[in-house]
Amino acid sequence: EIVLTQSPDFQSVTPKEKVTITCRASQSIGSSLHWYQQKPDQSPKLLIKYASQSISGVPSRFSGSGSGTDFTLTINSLEAEDAATYYCHQSSSLPYSFGQGTKLEIK
Amino acid sequence: QLQLQESGPGLVKPSETLSLTCTVSGGSISSSSYYWGWIRQPPGKGLEWIGSIYYSGSTYYNPSLKSRVTISVDTSKNQFSLKLSSVTAADTAVYYCARIEWLLPYYWGQGTLVTVSS
Repeated sequence: EIVLTQSPDFQSVTPKEKVTITCRASQSIGSSLHWYQQKPDQSPKLLIKYASQSISGVPSRFSGSGSGTDFTLTINSLEAEDAATYYCHQSSSLPYSFGQGTKLEIK
Repeated sequence: QLQLQESGPGLVKPSETLSLTCTVSGGSISSSSYYWGWIRQPPGKGLEWIGSIYYSGSTYYNPSLKSRVTISVDTSKNQFSLKLSSVTAADTAVYYCARIEWLLPYYWGQGTLVTVSS
């Protein structure tokens, strides 16, 4: 099973700041890495698919990069509404798996 | 607009079987383009892939749950279902159903909390 490890687990940031969340896979997964945002008491929302492909309706301040084992989600000019937990997810190899999550707090 | 809605008992006794149904509206479960899946999230914890099904009935189950999981589809009702047997407190979670596109959960239901307790 492929293990995804996110860092950091928690980050407290100020509005307009640039945020970077990383996800490392225990083995190469190509570009089969996706990012989700989950706000309290809501279901996860897809932000980025296949490492860097944008999703219709998602603000352009969200972007993704990486391939192989190392991936990054970047949020440019953070807004208060971005307070949430972010998860990476791999669909390269069964069983599909998720990272442990990164909780983003807005100061 | 596509909507997925989970339904089923919110409380299940230990050793019994958890049964949930996902009703799909605004789209056909028989579409050849998609799979349909179940994902769960214990309170305050991360996400776990349970399994998925194609409209033809072809299934995949997470090996960690495979011996206890059954996912089925009812195309006449535009629904798919999850059964998890011999539940324990560790199975307490919010259970989500989702439409799988390009091998990833694209649209999610709102989720339903199932508590395992006597």
